[in-house]
Amino acid sequence: AQTVTQSQPEMSVQEAETVTLSCTYDTSESDYYLFWYKQPPSRQMILVIRQEAYKQQNATENRFSVNFQKAAKSFSLKISDSQLGDAAMYFCAYRSARNTDKLIFGTGTRLQVFP
Amino acid sequence: GAVVSQHPSWVICKSGTSVKIECRSLDFQATTMFWYRQFPKQSLMLMATSNEGSKATYEQGVEKDKFLINHASLTLSTLTVTSAHPEDSSFYICSASIGGDPYGYTFGSGTRLTVV
Repeated sequence: AQTVTQSQPEMSVQEAETVTLSCTYDTSESDYYLFWYKQPPSRQMILVIRQEAYKQQNATENRFSVNFQKAAKSFSLKISDSQLGDAAMYFCAYRSARNTDKLIFGTGTRLQVFP
Repeated sequence: GAVVSQHPSWVICKSGTSVKIECRSLDFQATTMFWYRQFPKQSLMLMATSNEGSKATYEQGVEKDKFLINHASLTLSTLTVTSAHPEDSSFYICSASIGGDPYGYTFGSGTRLTVV
């Protein structure tokens, strides 16, 4: 079975600085999708960024980018120019490319942003 | 964009009663609905997956007779917590997906259930 691990329960960053959140996963599959979701205090899940395993190029969405290392099964999220509004829980998630489309979530990283 | 409306946002019920949580996809047809449970400061744990018109598939350890899931139409799925007890108090989130779209996940805003 696939598993997703986030080894940093909490992280903090100064406003305008850069922070990297770690995520590793375990799978025997070669084709899959990876996601980073943000859950602010409102508890609404918000998609931050996504990556297809077959794409070598790292995904980027404005201030958010990933470092996808397929061989190492690593999928870290880099937040540049951190803003106060980035403070939230961040969850890494995995989805198989097979006929099951459920998301498997990591344990989450709480990000604090200090002014 | 795609929106899933989840109601109620919070509910308090007495122990032994049943509570129904609804998730509606407002502008798309959700072929699959996922139901998650989230304890404070923890991750989302998948409870069950339901496809329209079919019986839900429950994850290991989830009591199917306690957590009744109905997905009678492509726009509505419900989770009923039957004979609720204080240990059922939690945050419940639904997520709808559109078949064939690997990125097509839309989450409801969640329901905080407190059983007293």
